[in-house]
Amino acid sequence: QLQLQESGPGLVKPSETLSLTCTVSGGSISSRDHHWAWIRQPPGKGLEWIASVYYSGTTYYKPSLKSRVAISVDPSKNQFSLRLRSVTAADTAVYYCTRERTSTSIDWGQGTLVTVSS
Amino acid sequence: QSALTQPPSASGSPGQSVTISCTGTSSDVGGYKYVSWYQQHPGKAPKLMIYEVNKRPSGVPDRFSGSKSGNTASLTVSGLQAEDEADYYCSSHAITSNAYVIFGGGTKLTVL
Repeated sequence: QLQLQESGPGLVKPSETLSLTCTVSGGSISSRDHHWAWIRQPPGKGLEWIASVYYSGTTYYKPSLKSRVAISVDPSKNQFSLRLRSVTAADTAVYYCTRERTSTSIDWGQGTLVTVSS
Repeated sequence: QSALTQPPSASGSPGQSVTISCTGTSSDVGGYKYVSWYQQHPGKAPKLMIYEVNKRPSGVPDRFSGSKSGNTASLTVSGLQAEDEADYYCSSHAITSNAYVIFGGGTKLTVL
């Protein structure tokens, strides 16, 4: 049973960089059939896809976030990561990491709340 | 890259059927077969209910079905049950300047 676990600071100051890591267990991040994605959900609002990465390092970004986001993968640790620069209060959200296949998130982590506040 | 359009709310009585729409453009819903639907209960992570327009993952009841016509996808829940009350989100593969995934704004389904 594949499991995904998000980790990282729960509080980030405005203008700083949000950094999260997703650790994959019960399966290999080097699967040729899957991508690995980050999705977020502001409190009381809907889901927003942020980015995805393939085990080879190929990346895909939501166009409106592309200038501030970097996603990366570390197959040796079975992890992938998200960095979001210059955060504001609007970036406060529950951040989920997921396993994707054909643009579908088939497995989800439990989510981690990141609050942007001074 | 505006979100896909979903009605904010939908409702039905137990045993009835309800359909939730998801409208996009030819650059997303209308252009690809990669439309998915997710169910989210309060405080929980979303759960995949439908993928590739009309396919159900193992374990999802056949009361849930999906379809697409043009730029609009639909999720139908038949034989409504109390546990179906949740938020439902559609998503689609999309391409503008690059490939990405776009979500709908979500629909709150209430079982009366």
